[in-house]
Amino acid sequence: SQQGEEDPQALSIQEGENATMNCSYKTSINNLQWYRQNSGRGLVHLILIRSNEREKHSGRLRVTLDTSKKSSSLLITASRAADTASYFCATDAYGNKLVFGAGTILRVKS
Amino acid sequence: EAGVVQSPRYKIIEKKQPVAFWCNPISGHNTLYWYLQNLGQGPELLIRYENEEAVDDSQLPKDRFSAERLKGVDSTLKIQPAELGDSAVYLCASSPARGLAGGTQYFGPGTRLTVL
Repeated sequence: SQQGEEDPQALSIQEGENATMNCSYKTSINNLQWYRQNSGRGLVHLILIRSNEREKHSGRLRVTLDTSKKSSSLLITASRAADTASYFCATDAYGNKLVFGAGTILRVKS
Repeated sequence: EAGVVQSPRYKIIEKKQPVAFWCNPISGHNTLYWYLQNLGQGPELLIRYENEEAVDDSQLPKDRFSAERLKGVDSTLKIQPAELGDSAVYLCASSPARGLAGGTQYFGPGTRLTVL
């Protein structure tokens, strides 16, 4: 079973625009991670935010975490065609085990 | 640093045949994971190893799936016999000892299995 649910399921934007993806989960967590998966490839870790953190930045990525609402968001600023991929949130609930959501498919049109 | 290596990348077999997937984790990573990813879904954990010990195999269908990690390095996942519903991508991931990466996992490219 998958704990996280991403919203939207698919997102299509123009190059240069910002993309926001949301993730909701059900149980208490140790940390929440975002991964990217290009077509036909494995997952690449993007960013990790711990349960005691509210916001984290990495380059053009900004992640927020609201543990009271059990939700997180991933913002990609100034999107590029190369950002086209599927994005997954994954929760680590103190068991060294990641539970992934179904993902958001992002398409950036040039 | 070399990443997680998996082989083969693609495999097509007929139902009821056996199949095996191989994974070589990143050097020094104690923890190894096998995931199943169905089309349009996120990965789902099948089994997790800490060194050579399988510490979480609750999601592994043990009637047809088996895995091993001899010497705590490479790992093999086997399906025997394969069923049509086993068609999916099988991902291997590894991570260093807990605390060193905070839980970040490093994924291989996966093996895409098609069962006809």
